[in-house]
Amino acid sequence: QSALTQPASVSGSPGQSITISCTGTTRDIGGFDYVSWYQQHPAKAPKLMIYGVNKRPSGVSNRFSGSKSGNTASLTISGLQNEDEADYYCSSYTNNRTWVFGGGTKLTVL
Amino acid sequence: QVQLQESGPGLVKPSQTLSLTCTVSGASVNSGNFYWSWIRQPAGKGLEWIGRMYTSGSTSHNPSLKSRVTMSMDTSKNQFSLRLNSVTAADTAVYYCARLTAYTHGLAFDHWGQGTLVTVSS
Repeated sequence: QSALTQPASVSGSPGQSITISCTGTTRDIGGFDYVSWYQQHPAKAPKLMIYGVNKRPSGVSNRFSGSKSGNTASLTISGLQNEDEADYYCSSYTNNRTWVFGGGTKLTVL
Repeated sequence: QVQLQESGPGLVKPSQTLSLTCTVSGASVNSGNFYWSWIRQPAGKGLEWIGRMYTSGSTSHNPSLKSRVTMSMDTSKNQFSLRLNSVTAADTAVYYCARLTAYTHGLAFDHWGQGTLVTVSS
């Protein structure tokens, strides 16, 4: 199975909004609403930020939001803060009853 | 709160078998609400899903690992385990265990262990 496609890097200034895309196929993102997003700081385990395309777990800031259109999912972070600087990964369930991750996007807060 | 902790050898020789155990606290591996997964991350690279298992014993794994994967569960110890055979240097990575939770509107890996580095080298 191929990894989902994410941009290698994005950047933004504090207070701005950024969007990270995640492109798959009809066999994964396009076929299921089981898209999730994870934040990973250096040398730390990933943390769930969004599940079910656009739902936030308890405790996650409402500055994080998710959406999906066709085979592409997106994560938007509004009101960018320094602590948002991290790697972000998308993930999706697939029609093979497996899971696939994106290659990861490094977010730099300028 | 829910915690997961990986344990196992940090160094494995090529062609041998990598064995890791994940000990869970704050949740039961026997619960029908969760799946239990393994995910790995080579240094400087992205996440790769290895596989998951359910309390019933059913498993699913990444087809790219060509059936080198075996997963098991010990409900008496609240643990689940991974065995990856015929390892090569390409299997060197940080290995995470994670809980896959079935929410009302989605499935996601909501709790992760801290990760354990496994190096394949002679």
